[in-house]
Amino acid sequence: VMTQSPLSLPVTPGEPASISCRSSQSLLHSNGNNYLDWFLQKPGQSPQLLIYLGSNRASGVPDRFSGSGSGTDFTLKISRVEAEDVGVYYCMEGLQPPFTFGPGTKVDIK
Amino acid sequence: EVQVLESGGGLVQPGGSLTLSCAASGFTFINYYMNWVRQAPGKGLEWVANIKPDGSAKYYVDSVKGRFTISRDNAKNSLYLQMNSLRVEDTAVYYCVGRVTAAAYWGQGTLVTVSS
Repeated sequence: VMTQSPLSLPVTPGEPASISCRSSQSLLHSNGNNYLDWFLQKPGQSPQLLIYLGSNRASGVPDRFSGSGSGTDFTLKISRVEAEDVGVYYCMEGLQPPFTFGPGTKVDIK
Repeated sequence: EVQVLESGGGLVQPGGSLTLSCAASGFTFINYYMNWVRQAPGKGLEWVANIKPDGSAKYYVDSVKGRFTISRDNAKNSLYLQMNSLRVEDTAVYYCVGRVTAAAYWGQGTLVTVSS
């Protein structure tokens, strides 16, 4: 089971933002990787991969996005929110199937 | 340019069947795990099934086991989802997703509506 907090996050452009994701089981593999991804679904669009293996930015993702954590607790941080960052953020565990998404965190502008 | 295009969605009665197709291009299909992910109206994402690059293993969420079958044709760069015994709760946009560790290619989705 994946949980996220908060479920709703009003943000001010230029300010930082943080989303927490917690797994009911450890996502740390024996190979040292944490199998936790972050996706963003912008309004009216398909989801896009932001962060893989807990802390690696996907190609083309701005460096204001960062992921951290290990085991069961993970965090997505946006250093300075921009208007284009609104949408729903999902964490997903990918250790072994069946995979599970978190409930999502809706980020919008105050 | 990467393209992932789902098709086959529509309206079906409870208990009915439907087959979704996904045509992929712009990436090396045979190297990618392929997934189906769905999103019920106004709800979050739910992973449904995936298949290994060579088709040797398939995995499903418990709610669709025994009813849905995922398959792929690497010669055609195509992914399929055979859905039987459909239920009202299967109503959702179904996304085809090509995945390797560092990348995920999503289609625009196809809507499946199960209703009498």
